[in-house]
Amino acid sequence: DVKVTQSSRYLVKRTGEKVFLECVQDMDHENMFWYRQDPGLGLRLIYFSYDVKMKEKGDIPEGYSVSREKKERFSLILESASTNQTSMYLCASRGTGATNEKLFFGSGTQLSVL
Amino acid sequence: GNSVTQMEGPVTLSEEAFLTINCTYTATGYPSLFWYVQYPGEGLQLLLKATKADDKGSNKGFEATYRKETTSFHLEKGSVQVSDSAVYFCALSLNTGNQFYFGTGTSLTVIP
Repeated sequence: DVKVTQSSRYLVKRTGEKVFLECVQDMDHENMFWYRQDPGLGLRLIYFSYDVKMKEKGDIPEGYSVSREKKERFSLILESASTNQTSMYLCASRGTGATNEKLFFGSGTQLSVL
Repeated sequence: GNSVTQMEGPVTLSEEAFLTINCTYTATGYPSLFWYVQYPGEGLQLLLKATKADDKGSNKGFEATYRKETTSFHLEKGSVQVSDSAVYFCALSLNTGNQFYFGTGTSLTVIP
């Protein structure tokens, strides 16, 4: 089974800190995604990547950046964390082609910014 | 544009009750439709999917039929269990592009 691993389950940071959220997948998937999940808002796409060093903005990229230096790893970076970035962050991956529509999710990182 | 609207929760049912969670969509192309489930403390996992009109997806007693004429993909289960307590997300994906579009999620609690 595909495994998507997020490095931290819970994270507490202070306003203004630089924050790195790491995600690793083990199935050689081309596509990787970062979502944030907030009550009443569902999942909102922050960024996605369809290949190494390639990235595309999602619906809410402001205040975030991403890095994809290796195919298996996709990092989300909060350059200067703010309290409104307190949220659950979910990483996902999928392959390409008609048989690879399914998204595989990590367990999530609950980030609190104080 | 592309979007998914699902019924707001939370939904509370007694064990063995019938479940329906409504989902409708708007899409610019020919989407595939999905239901994902999130159990407490976990990420989302695929529950079922349908890739074309009139297809029925099914898994673990849950079913949903892709209705193009009503742009709907309602989730149903005939007899829910306590272990079905979770948040359910309806989603669509277009054959072109990489994006998934998710509904806001419906929280289900099943009480014994």
